[in-house]
Amino acid sequence: DQQVKQNSPSLSVQEGRISILNCDYTNSMFDYFLWYKKYPAEGPTFLISISSIKDKNEDGRFTVFLNKSAKHLSLHIVPSQPGDSAVYFCAARTSYDKVIFGPGTSLSVIP
Amino acid sequence: DTGVSQDPRHKITKRGQNVTFRCDPISEHNRLYWYRQTLGQGPEFLTYFQNEAQLEKSRLLSDRFSAERPKGSFSTLEIQRTEQGDSAMYLCASSGEAADTQYFGPGTRLTVL
Repeated sequence: DQQVKQNSPSLSVQEGRISILNCDYTNSMFDYFLWYKKYPAEGPTFLISISSIKDKNEDGRFTVFLNKSAKHLSLHIVPSQPGDSAVYFCAARTSYDKVIFGPGTSLSVIP
Repeated sequence: DTGVSQDPRHKITKRGQNVTFRCDPISEHNRLYWYRQTLGQGPEFLTYFQNEAQLEKSRLLSDRFSAERPKGSFSTLEIQRTEQGDSAMYLCASSGEAADTQYFGPGTRLTVL
């Protein structure tokens, strides 16, 4: 039973364009959502987060949107750069600090 | 701040052997987490410590797995009688009092032959 879903295993975007990575969740008790980026042979690196009481958080080229009624969040990267090519994990935290990760979306930014 | 470190980075072992991994969290972090990641999946929660207390264990953590954090600083994860299905990346993460964000180490890649 996947509580955090990322239905697109991969995504290709042209350099300079917007990348949109999507994530859906099923548990309405999640209170905090995070995005992590992972390069091969490295651990996940924290990217950006959003509290369940907000609907948008922005940090430079990265913006996360949260739609609680749809149980959906998305990560926007604009403009996309080749160095953004990595696997992106959506994650959600329960009140007991346990973080549930989605399966990841592999982003390729084409120069 | 040196980040979360894990040792070893790679471990190859034969089925039936015991292995132990070490995690050193960010020094001021009191919370420490272990995850397992297999190919094509996101990290799966295994267990969680607050200081030296192990507060939660996943059903994924069979009796062959044990984790400790004896002085509330570094932690060890031991797998006894390894099986081929244990082959995975074992990730450690830590977070501070706010517990908002977990910071991950580079992981230990375990291969069981």
